[in-house]
Amino acid sequence: GENVEQHPSTLSVQEGDSAVIKCTYSDSASNYFPWYKQELGKGPQLIIDIRSNVGEKKDQRIAVTLNKTAKHFSLHITETQPEDSAVYFCAAIKTSYDKVIFGPGTSLSVIP
Amino acid sequence: EPEVTQTPSHQVTQMGQEVILRCVPISNHLYFYWYRQILGQKVEFLVSFYNNEISEKSEIFDDQFSVERPDGSNFTLKIRSTKLEDSAMYFCASSDVGTDNTEAFFGQGTRLTVV
Repeated sequence: GENVEQHPSTLSVQEGDSAVIKCTYSDSASNYFPWYKQELGKGPQLIIDIRSNVGEKKDQRIAVTLNKTAKHFSLHITETQPEDSAVYFCAAIKTSYDKVIFGPGTSLSVIP
Repeated sequence: EPEVTQTPSHQVTQMGQEVILRCVPISNHLYFYWYRQILGQKVEFLVSFYNNEISEKSEIFDDQFSVERPDGSNFTLKIRSTKLEDSAMYFCASSDVGTDNTEAFFGQGTRLTVV
């Protein structure tokens, strides 16, 4: 089955710097790659996603890139703020309504 | 904004007891899911449910687990005889039946503590 790896497991950045989280997946049939932010005591919240027919997507300070050939995808957060501190999960989904396969998560700390 | 709601937020139970975790998915969604997250670990898929039946389940979802949609709004996860290792956050999720809409919306979770 699908396996999603994620690096780094922890990341500390100074406020205003950029943060990059990288993921790989194993199943070439995966077509949808959401990113979730999980704050303490809460459920995962979708922050951005990318589909297999797109190489890059941007939403304000957040951007995702996808390299389907290499089975890599990345999350970029620019101008980080303390409220960006959370655990971020990348994920892969094969087809509509299929289960979400999560990566192990990255704990991001933004230091004021 | 519509949201998935879960109750209770925290449940403490004795080993061997039955627990029922409750979820109200987003009203027009037709796919429902349960996931769990053991403390400090990743979110793991348990089961998906569509058209009043299980569509897929993981190896974690053994005979101790069951799901039910008892009415038009609730979706429940039952653990028949809880074990210490069932202690985790349990998340319910739902998704729409659109041609290109695969986003799953997650609830806030129920923290289950088995003592």
